[in-house]
Amino acid sequence: GAGVSQSPRYKVAKRGQDVALRCDPISGHVSLFWYQQALGQGPEFLTYFQNEAQLDKSGLPSDRFFAERPEGSVSTLKIQRTQQEDSAVYLCASSLLAGGLRTDTQYFGPGTRLTVL
Amino acid sequence: EDQVTQSPEALRLQEGESSSLNCSYTVSGLRGLFWYRQDPGKGPEFLFTLYSAGEEKEKERLKATLTKKESFLHITAPKPEDSATYLCAVQAHGSGNTGKLIFGQGTTLQVKP
Repeated sequence: GAGVSQSPRYKVAKRGQDVALRCDPISGHVSLFWYQQALGQGPEFLTYFQNEAQLDKSGLPSDRFFAERPEGSVSTLKIQRTQQEDSAVYLCASSLLAGGLRTDTQYFGPGTRLTVL
Repeated sequence: EDQVTQSPEALRLQEGESSSLNCSYTVSGLRGLFWYRQDPGKGPEFLFTLYSAGEEKEKERLKATLTKKESFLHITAPKPEDSATYLCAVQAHGSGNTGKLIFGQGTTLQVKP
């Protein structure tokens, strides 16, 4: 079946612009995660959704970052007034079950590479 | 604080030369340890989950093992197509209701023919 998809795959923004990154999880997956991956580093957790509820946003770097999943499927990560330090790959992952119930495999999308000039 | 450290950062092997990658972790309580493979320009691809010390899992030329403090990914007779970055991640009981993963920085493996 189809995996996790993300769009756009590449995004170039001028400093100060707003951007929106989209994630389409695997159909039926309850949990959705956003991670940020800097060059040469492992992914870092940003935020978690269980269906439409955002249960953890402790990893969001600043109030310029906002995420939503209004209908419990597609999610959007929005970054306002982008800064150069926001340049990174943004990864979305989904898993079948709710995060607190049991250890569950997270399946990752290809990521969106954001470059802020 | 929950933490994951991988070593070495980079590893070059000749085709057929077996080796191991290390993942050391410190967590408040381990729910699971995950290994992923990441190719350039792609998202991490799931390989294994290990849950308790002494557990082992195998897939083709890869074998993952787990102790109370670290995990090893053993690569037997690697081929050039095994070249990738290998990521280790833990899921801790302290993650509450999220199941979020804490990743190491990865080991970049290059296998030369």
